[in-house]
Amino acid sequence: AQKVTQAQTEISVVEKEDVTLDCVYETRDTTYYLFWYKQPPSGELVFLIRRNSFDEQNEISGRYSWNFQKSTSSFNFTITASQVVDSAVYFCALNTGTASKLTFGTGTRLQVTL
Amino acid sequence: SAVISQKPSRDICQRGTSLTIQCQVDSQVTMMFWYRQQPGQSLTLIATANQGSEATYESGFVIDKFPISRPNLTFSTLTVSNMSPEDSSIYLCSVLLTGAKGYTFGSGTRLTVV
Repeated sequence: AQKVTQAQTEISVVEKEDVTLDCVYETRDTTYYLFWYKQPPSGELVFLIRRNSFDEQNEISGRYSWNFQKSTSSFNFTITASQVVDSAVYFCALNTGTASKLTFGTGTRLQVTL
Repeated sequence: SAVISQKPSRDICQRGTSLTIQCQVDSQVTMMFWYRQQPGQSLTLIATANQGSEATYESGFVIDKFPISRPNLTFSTLTVSNMSPEDSSIYLCSVLLTGAKGYTFGSGTRLTVV
């Protein structure tokens, strides 16, 4: 069985602070994919990143960066210099095959204030 | 233009009635996924819809309650039958488009059952 744990239910930061959202996953498969999605107050799900299990290279995209560590089964997401527009619920998700279902974590609500 | 069009965007329904949600994709896809997001919760997969075969339901979801149609490679419907207030949720369809790294989600149907 697959499982994704996002232990942080809600995080509040002041604008320009850095913030890290934690994600821990469980799977017995050796090939799997990890995802992060953003769900702003409007409700749509916005794809942020996909990482496959064979690629542990960290990735940076603007103010966003992701740290994938197989040794700890974690795929953490850091927002540098947070902005109010980053306020949203962020979901980490996992699947174990091409075009297969996603297993979502419970999400972390990020509130960025001025 | 939207890649996935989901209708209706929201509805308020009487208990005991049924609502059919439509999901139209701009391009052909093999599998379409239907998720439920209960208020303040994460996304849970209801079923996977393949063209030309019966949908595959996840544990806890049954065809009598959530019948799905998939008449072609660009369209699917999910019906929420004999609704009760517990069915009040956001329902989302999702696909993996050819060449895409992440799953694309519809804008969701916000259902309130009174």
